[in-house]
Formats: sequence, structure tokens, C-alpha cells
Amino acid sequence: SYVLTQPPSVSVAPGKTARITCGGNNIGSKSVHWYQQRPGQAPVLVIYYDSDRPSGIPERFSGSDSGNTATLTISRVEAGDEADYYCQVWDSSSDHPGVFGGGTKLTVL
Amino acid sequence: QVRLQESGPGLVKASETLSLTCSVSGASIRYYFWSWIRQPAGKGLEWIGRIHTSGRTTYSPSLKTRVTMSVDTSKNQFSLNLSAVTAADTAVYYCARDLEAAAGEVNWFDPWGQGTLVTVYS
Repeated sequence: SYVLTQPPSVSVAPGKTARITCGGNNIGSKSVHWYQQRPGQAPVLVIYYDSDRPSGIPERFSGSDSGNTATLTISRVEAGDEADYYCQVWDSSSDHPGVFGGGTKLTVL
Repeated sequence: QVRLQESGPGLVKASETLSLTCSVSGASIRYYFWSWIRQPAGKGLEWIGRIHTSGRTTYSPSLKTRVTMSVDTSKNQFSLNLSAVTAADTAVYYCARDLEAAAGEVNWFDPWGQGTLVTVYS
């Protein structure tokens, strides 16, 4: 089945830009979605279809996807952005189509 | 606004069957796929499977011999049964709406329920 690889942790100072990567074989040919999970809470969709934002998600959140890497970018990071972030794809050709990355813990210094 | 709420026993004895229900409010359950996803404590997300209101299902290969999903459109609910549970099945279980595009080539999950912790004991 398809494998998504994320760094376990990323740290960033408030006001700076955080970039969280998601690696996968030719992931640029797939649509990537991102979820934010604050401690003790359910995941929330923050980016879908590589770079679209659901209603209510700040413009500070953006996404890109090319080659073997997809990236979630969070600009002007705030303390409230501290959370775990998961990437996800749908591998329709697989018998295990729902695939998540291992998650990245974003720490705001 | 679509809301999902999981319900079911928080404790299940090993070797028995875990049964959870997800109640959907704010929208009809019809015409969508609905997924179950779980998360062991301190670990990542694992997709368990999904069901369409037509009854069509897709299960994770690692769980398919033990998983059964069903849907009740009259109650706007769908359910998960996981048989022969072990301690490895202890996790927070989430239900989520499964949104599809590009003729099924693209799927994402939104919204999610708040999750329910299921602990398997012996």
C-alpha cells in the first residue's frame, strides 16, 4: 500500500513560517489533504485538494504538492497552531485506499 | 452544519465484538460515503473502512476479516462492528464524512466526530 512519510516534529518561533512536509512516491500526481489535531481533540481539515482551504480556515494555511513531496505551510505562526498535523491521500488503485502520514508535531517556541 | 457523534461501550472484553454507532445531524446521511478511523493513544491515524448509503463497503485489508459496517438511513446513523478484539484494538474511534471527487480518485474526511475511547480488557 501507499506510504506517506512525515517528519516527527517541527519547531518554529511565533510569527515565523512553518513548513511541514509529506513524502510519497510521485505524490504530486495525487491530491493531498491536511488535518490539524490539537491535544485531546478530533482532527480538523485545514487543506484539501492540495491547496484549498475549507471555510473558516485562516489564509495563513496553504498547501503545495509536487514531485515526491507535499508541503503544508503555516505563515505568521501563532501559539494556537501548536498541534499534530497529518497528511492524507486516497490511493484508489489500492485495496487500502485511505492513507495517512505518521503525523508531525508542530511546536511553537 | 453537519455534526457527527460516536456512541457505544467504552470497555470491551477481549475476544468479543466492539460495536459503535455514529449519529449524523445537520444533513442527510444519504448519497455520501462514511468512514471509521481510529487512533491508539500517542499514535497516528488509521483508516478502518467506509460505507456508502447504498451499502457498498471498503475495508482496510488488515482488518477486513473482522470488520462489518452498516447504515440505517431511517435513523441517519451508521455503525461499526469489530470482532475478536484484542488489546491492540484499544484506541479512540472516530467517524467522519468521506467526501469524494474526481470520480472517486480523490477522497478526504470532513467533518469528524469528537471520537470515543474504546478500551479492550481481559
